[in-house]
Amino acid sequence: GQQLNQSPQSMFIQEGEDVSMNCTSSSIFNTWLWYKQDPGEGPVLLIALYKAGELTSNGRLTAQFGITRKDSFLNISASIPSDVGIYFCAGSSNTGKLIFGQGTTLQVKP
Amino acid sequence: EAQVTQNPRYLITVTGKKLTVTCSQNMNHEYMSWYRQDPGLGLRQIYYSMNVEVTDKGDVPEGYKVSRKEKRNFPLILESPSPNQTSLYFCASSLSSGYYEQYFGPGTRLTVT
Repeated sequence: GQQLNQSPQSMFIQEGEDVSMNCTSSSIFNTWLWYKQDPGEGPVLLIALYKAGELTSNGRLTAQFGITRKDSFLNISASIPSDVGIYFCAGSSNTGKLIFGQGTTLQVKP
Repeated sequence: EAQVTQNPRYLITVTGKKLTVTCSQNMNHEYMSWYRQDPGLGLRQIYYSMNVEVTDKGDVPEGYKVSRKEKRNFPLILESPSPNQTSLYFCASSLSSGYYEQYFGPGTRLTVT
């Protein structure tokens, strides 16, 4: 079946640093989504991408839909302590199903 | 407030004792889904429903049942829970099956001993 490979698995950074994470797929996706999960909560949608090459920002977050349609990237600029959490990528190829990556755990040191 | 609610939030049970986790959304969404989250494995889809009376298996359906008799509710049923079903469960909904921005509930932490 379809698989998503998300990296890195975890990051421990200093407050103020920029963060990059990415997802790669074994097959083409038509939609890429990025979610954040705070401890004890459900995932919350951060950014949705619908077109190859699309670059979308949400505050300090920027995500890109790779032109091969097999990858996506999320960048967080000038990290702050409340950025702590697990970040998930998710992709869909219009089958009605959403496939999730394994998650990137981010820790920010004040 | 638009939301997805799940009950209970925490449950400890014993092997073989049937249980139901309820899920309800107030956004008039057509599409609903159940996921389980396990460390290192991300979120894996158990079952989904594109509309009332329409359900289908996700990637890990074994040991679970669902029903969708009303648009707003999508309960998850474990007829005979086993320890390997100990996990964190999330219900999610979206406007339709072709609209992938899913909204998640707060989660149900299930422990089966």
